[in-house]
This record gives sequence, C-alpha cells and structure tokens, in this order.
Amino acid sequence: DQQVKQNSPSLSVQEGRISILNCDYTNSMFDYFLWYKKYPAEGPTFLISISSIKDKNEDGRFTVFLNKSAKHLSLHIVPSQPGDSAVYFCAASNTGKLIFGQGTTLQVKP
Amino acid sequence: GAGVSQSPSNKVTEKGKDVELRCDPISGHTALYWYRQSLGQGLEFLIYFQGNSAPDKSGLPSDRFSAERTGGSVSTLTIQRTQQEDSAVYLCASSEDRGVNTEAFFGQGTRLTVV
Repeated sequence: DQQVKQNSPSLSVQEGRISILNCDYTNSMFDYFLWYKKYPAEGPTFLISISSIKDKNEDGRFTVFLNKSAKHLSLHIVPSQPGDSAVYFCAASNTGKLIFGQGTTLQVKP
Repeated sequence: GAGVSQSPSNKVTEKGKDVELRCDPISGHTALYWYRQSLGQGLEFLIYFQGNSAPDKSGLPSDRFSAERTGGSVSTLTIQRTQQEDSAVYLCASSEDRGVNTEAFFGQGTRLTVV
C-alpha cells in the first residue's frame, strides 16, 4: 500500500530551465508535506515543506505547490543548476509520522 | 555534534548473526524515526518514537527487527538472525515536538551488508 507515490523515477533538464518533480498521495488525512534531497552516500536533507492549509510555499529557487483536491504536490526548481542533481523524495505526514515516496533522480545538464 | 549521529557507518555481517545499529538524535528532539533504503528503492518506514507515547512499529518487516529508545534519547535498532535481504542503508532521523508538524533531520545512515 504505497500512500505516497513518485511516478517518475528520473528527470533530466538543462541548466537554467525549470525542473518539476511530482508526487501523489492517497491518504486525505495527511496534513503536512515535505521535500527532501539526497546525494549518494549521504542522508536526506530537508528542502521545503507545506502545510495542508496552504497551496503554495516558496523559498528562493524552490517552490512547492499543493493541490489537495487532486492529492498532488509538486516541487519546482527554477533556474535549475548542476548542483541540484540528486534524488528528490517527497514525504507526507499525519500526526508526525513521515511517509516517503520512492524518489525521483534529477539530472541537471550543464 | 549538532546533527543526528549514526554508528557504525558501515557494517558487514554474516547471515544468521545479530546486529545492533545506533542512533544519537539531535539533543532535545523528542521524535525519532528509523527508515531503510534498499538498493534502488525508496525510503521504507520502519518505526517511529514520539516522546513517551508507545512507538509506531507498523513498518517493521518481521519479528527479527526491534528497536528501543532509552531515556528518550539514544535509539538502537536490532536485527536478529540477519538475512541477505536485510542488506540496505538504515537511516535514522529526529525532529522537534513543537505541537505542529516539523521537518525531520537525518543522519548519514548505516550501510548494512549481510554476506
């Protein structure tokens, strides 16, 4: 029972362009959503989050959008940089427990 | 240190042996999580401790897996009679309990290899 799904295992974009990573969830009780970034041989690092009472949160080059009716969230990175190349995980929470998606590998080409 | 610390960073063990993985959370963090990432897979939830509440063990894959959190701080994940399919990176994370949802901070992980 995969409650949080990232259906695209990989994404490749050109430096300077926008990267859009998508995530779908099934549990309508989730009320907090997060994006993490993971480099090889390192633990995931927190990027940005959004509460279910909002539909957008922006932090520099990173913006997270939440569409509750569609149970969908997305992470926009603009402009994309080669250093953004990593695995991105979305996560959802209800009562604090975090459930992660399978991850999307982003490659930003110079 | 200021971050989540896990030890050992790497562990190679023989099939059938027991292993213990340790996690030192960030000081003052009341929530602690264990996840594992098998090769090519996502982050699989294992167990979640929150303050003095009973832990959520719903993600433990079998009764060979157990975890403790002593004194509300350090946690140990124990795998008994290890199998080759237990090979994975085991990740620990901690977060504050501020009454609202908050981000979790991860350690570097323990890479477990069962041979």
